[in-house]
Amino acid sequence: EIVLTQSPVTLSLSPGERATLSCRASQSVSSYLAWYQQKPGQAPRLLIYDTSNRATGIPARFSGSGSATDFTLTISSLEPEDFAVYYCQQRSNWPLTFGGGTKVEIK
Amino acid sequence: EVQLLESGGGLVQPGGSLRLSCAASGFTFNSVTFSSYAMTWVRQAPGKGLEWVSAITGSGGTTYYADSVKGRFTISRDNSKNMLYLQMNSLRAEDTALYYCAKEFLSTNYWFDPWGQGTLVTVSS
Repeated sequence: EIVLTQSPVTLSLSPGERATLSCRASQSVSSYLAWYQQKPGQAPRLLIYDTSNRATGIPARFSGSGSATDFTLTISSLEPEDFAVYYCQQRSNWPLTFGGGTKVEIK
Repeated sequence: EVQLLESGGGLVQPGGSLRLSCAASGFTFNSVTFSSYAMTWVRQAPGKGLEWVSAITGSGGTTYYADSVKGRFTISRDNSKNMLYLQMNSLRAEDTALYYCAKEFLSTNYWFDPWGQGTLVTVSS
């Protein structure tokens, strides 16, 4: 099973700041990594798939990068609605796995 | 717009069974049908992260399971009714979670969006 480790666990930032979230895989997942956003009381929403492709309707301030075992989700300038928990997911190997999540909170 | 609605959750004793359902609607454009997409179940224990549970291909011919549920849970679908199911047997306390169903975002890529709002399963005596 591929283990995804997200860091930091919590990121405290102010609106307008840049957020950089990390996801590290225990073995190469090639480019088969996605990012999801989950707000309190809501279902997750797909943000980024195949490392760097934004899903439908996702603002350009969200971007993804990386390859093999190291991936990054960047939010260029945090909007109030971006404070949430973010999860990475791999589809390189079965079973599918999620990272433990990074909470982006208001500083 | 595709919408997913889960049902069937509830309180069950350890060792018991439940069958979750997920009704999909909104497949009315460009001849795209429910059977074109894989579907998945993902769960979230209270206050915890996401855990993938199971997935099924569009045709229903291939299924996948997390080790934690293999042999106890069975995923299935009825493409004629746009329905997804999860039969859960031999339930344990650690199966307590909010269970989401989700649709494959693009055909054959196993990224998932949208998701339903979830149905809560509580395993307790």
